[in-house]
Amino acid sequence: QLHLQESGPGLVKPSETLSLTCTVSGGSIKSSSYYWGWLRQPPGRGLEWIATSYYNGNTYYNPSLKSRVSISVDTSKNQFSLKLTSVTATDTAIYYCARRLYYDTSPFDSWGQGTLVTVSS
Amino acid sequence: EIVLTQSPGTLSLSPGERATLSCRASQTISSSSLAWYQQRRGQAPRLLVYATSNRATGIPDRFSGSVSGTDFSLTISRLEPEDFAVYYCHHVTLPLTFGGGTKVEI
Repeated sequence: QLHLQESGPGLVKPSETLSLTCTVSGGSIKSSSYYWGWLRQPPGRGLEWIATSYYNGNTYYNPSLKSRVSISVDTSKNQFSLKLTSVTATDTAIYYCARRLYYDTSPFDSWGQGTLVTVSS
Repeated sequence: EIVLTQSPGTLSLSPGERATLSCRASQTISSSSLAWYQQRRGQAPRLLVYATSNRATGIPDRFSGSVSGTDFSLTISRLEPEDFAVYYCHHVTLPLTFGGGTKVEI
């Protein structure tokens, strides 16, 4: 049974960098069958896709966030990570990591429980 | 970028009733590119339907999806208490986008 768990600071100051890690258990992040991604949801609002990566380092970004975001995969730790720079209060959200199958029209079929990140001084 | 518009924003129904949720795409998209998720309060989204009408593993058959042109629908044939939640449609081709959600409430 695949399990994804987000971790990282729950509070980040404005203008700083938000860093989160997703630890994958019950499956290998090196599998050629999956993409790994980050999404977020501001409190009381809808979902937004942030970024997706394949285990070999191929990455895909939401155009609206691309200038501030990076996603990376650490196969030795079975983890993938998100960095979002120059955060503001509008980046306050529940951040989810998730998996999707490796084909162009696959949905996210497995999600972490989410972690709330608040941007505030 | 495909914009997905969900309606209604809120649907007030009773257990046992039929729910029909709408998701309109801003332009023609492939039927393989549309998925639906359920999000219960305080939980992560759960995949319900992919490629417009295919139920995900373990999803009961009271959930069904369909499409007419650019109008996609999710139907819950008979609402169970656990079905009262927020539902999102999702365009799964890059750049990935989501609809604003429909809340199904008692």
